[in-house]
Amino acid sequence: EAAVTQSPRNKVAVTGGKVTLSCNQTNNHNNMYWYRQDTGHGLRLIHYSYGAGSTEKGDIPDGYKASRPSQENFSLILELATPSQTSVYFCASGDAEGRYERLFFGHGTKLSVL
Amino acid sequence: GDSVTQTEGQVALSEEDFLTIHCNYSASGYPALFWYVQYPGEGPQFLFRASRDKEKGSSRGFEATYDKGTTSFHLRKASVQESDSAVYYCALGPNTNKVVFGTGTRLQVLP
Repeated sequence: EAAVTQSPRNKVAVTGGKVTLSCNQTNNHNNMYWYRQDTGHGLRLIHYSYGAGSTEKGDIPDGYKASRPSQENFSLILELATPSQTSVYFCASGDAEGRYERLFFGHGTKLSVL
Repeated sequence: GDSVTQTEGQVALSEEDFLTIHCNYSASGYPALFWYVQYPGEGPQFLFRASRDKEKGSSRGFEATYDKGTTSFHLRKASVQESDSAVYYCALGPNTNKVVFGTGTRLQVLP
């Protein structure tokens, strides 16, 4: 079974602090994604990657950076966290190219920025 | 750009009721269409997909038919159970690698 693991599961950060959310996948999928989930907005794409060394901006990239050092790992970085970034963040890997792609999600990271 | 519009907010039903969650899409070309389900405390998980007109996708008693004429992919289940309580997302896969999700519909099934 495809596996995507996120850490930490919960995080409390202070405004202006740096936050790093980590994601590891054992699916050997090329594509990986970071989403945030907010009531009324559903899942919104922050950054994605086509493979090691690649990162691309999604629909809401402002205030976020991403890093893909290897096939397995994809991190989301908040250099200067703000309360508006309080949300639940999901990492996913994708099993195919193009329109048929099926996504496998982790369990999510609940981030609170105080 | 590509978008998905689905039944907003929450749907409350009793066990054994019939379920319909509406999903309409706007996209160029010929997208694939998906339903994902998210149970409390978990990430979304793939339910099923369809990739051509009139194709029916199904899983766990849920089904939806790709209708290119009405640009729809409505989720239906004949008899819901309390265990079906979850958030359901309609999504489309355009010709890029970026899946587009709807805003989600929360289903609450009362015993």
